[in-house]
Amino acid sequence: EAGVTQFPSHSVIEKGQTVTLRCDPISGHDNLYWYRRVMGKEIKFLLHFVKESKQDESGMPNNRFLAERTGGTYSTLKVQPAELEDSGVYFCASSQRRDYGYTFGSGTRLTVV
Amino acid sequence: GESVGLHLPTLSVQEGDNSIINCAYSNSASDYFIWYKQESGKGPQFIIDIRSNMDKRQGQRVTVLLNKTVKHLSLQIAATQPGDSAVYFCAEKRKAGNMLTFGGGTRLMVKP
Repeated sequence: EAGVTQFPSHSVIEKGQTVTLRCDPISGHDNLYWYRRVMGKEIKFLLHFVKESKQDESGMPNNRFLAERTGGTYSTLKVQPAELEDSGVYFCASSQRRDYGYTFGSGTRLTVV
Repeated sequence: GESVGLHLPTLSVQEGDNSIINCAYSNSASDYFIWYKQESGKGPQFIIDIRSNMDKRQGQRVTVLLNKTVKHLSLQIAATQPGDSAVYFCAEKRKAGNMLTFGGGTRLMVKP
């Protein structure tokens, strides 16, 4: 079984630019989550999809972040415009059932300069 | 690695010894707990989980203990190996939601 795949693995962009992160969950997993860890902080929840619907987006920091999951398969997380404090590692995870642990991807390291 | 700038408590053990990593959780409404292992350049990897109706669960070389009275979780690794070197995170999930709340992590270093 292929794991959760994230692309790109690293991204370096300038402040004010736009970046789009992609996550391909494990096939058949309806639940998809985005988390991030910014420098010096814990891993924090961003949002949760069930299929193509946003179940919980309470962790999204502000309206510069937009997540989509068209068709209920892969998901994208767009940051526009990126700010310095957005630098960190963005993780995607998926699960088949809500009451079990997730499988995480390797993350995308975002550096905003 | 990802931990640059993140000052983690560190546990250093000798290869072959047992390791105990501790975690205090915050919410008494949490009913599901997970330990994750994160190696450099990788995402968190599931190790073991436990539900709030249990106080102990064993896996292969790992045991998780849950003390709900003091909101404390621990991970015990038997016969620690160099491959166990990583950052370990506990995470909790509340009954009403599906979001995981992570602890700050502990770095385990295994000396050969």
